[in-house]
Amino acid sequence: NAGVTQTPKFRVLKTGQSMTLLCAQDMNHEYMYWYRQDPGMGLRLIHYSVGEGTTAKGEVPDGYNVSRLKKQNFLLGLESAAPSQTSVYFCASSSGTDGRGTQYFGPGTRLLVL
Amino acid sequence: KQEVTQIPAALSVPEGENLVLNCSFTDSAIYNLQWFRQDPGKGLTSLLLIQSSQREQTSGRLNASLDKSSGRSTLYIAASQPGDSATYLCAVSSNYQLIWGAGTKLIIKP
Repeated sequence: NAGVTQTPKFRVLKTGQSMTLLCAQDMNHEYMYWYRQDPGMGLRLIHYSVGEGTTAKGEVPDGYNVSRLKKQNFLLGLESAAPSQTSVYFCASSSGTDGRGTQYFGPGTRLLVL
Repeated sequence: KQEVTQIPAALSVPEGENLVLNCSFTDSAIYNLQWFRQDPGKGLTSLLLIQSSQREQTSGRLNASLDKSSGRSTLYIAASQPGDSATYLCAVSSNYQLIWGAGTKLIIKP
């Protein structure tokens, strides 16, 4: 039981490049989330999903897209990376039927955009 | 708009002391409040979840309380140990989303 995994762990991009971050969970959770964490700030929700095939915008969705084609996977895409997207990205999934249960986090992806 | 504040931003105490971390929120209409621990370069680990109808939750040396009417929660750590050194974050749940505080960085000195 691996819980929540994220790939890659670290990535350096040049401005304008694109990339996809992959999140996978093996706990059969319906709800999955993508957050970013910046120094001195709390986590901010980028997008979330309440089930396979569904996605919704969070607090800071601009510049990101997501897809949930399979229940266990939640992908975060950056179409044209900007230095402002330098951050640590965390994926999470939650227990409970309404998404309000405990959230389980992956180890994070550090992204540097030059 | 819900806002979550954690004070202090950093705290350093000698090993063995009991300590309290504070979390306040502006909108009392929450479903639950969660406390997490984050170690440097690592993900977040859930410590305690308090439902809006509950007043407190306990796990080992940790006790979290919730006062919805005043918009406050505290995390009490008994008999602190160097291994407790980490950043502690609180988050309130509303509308399927968690709203986060910026965290308190705790250092326990041996």
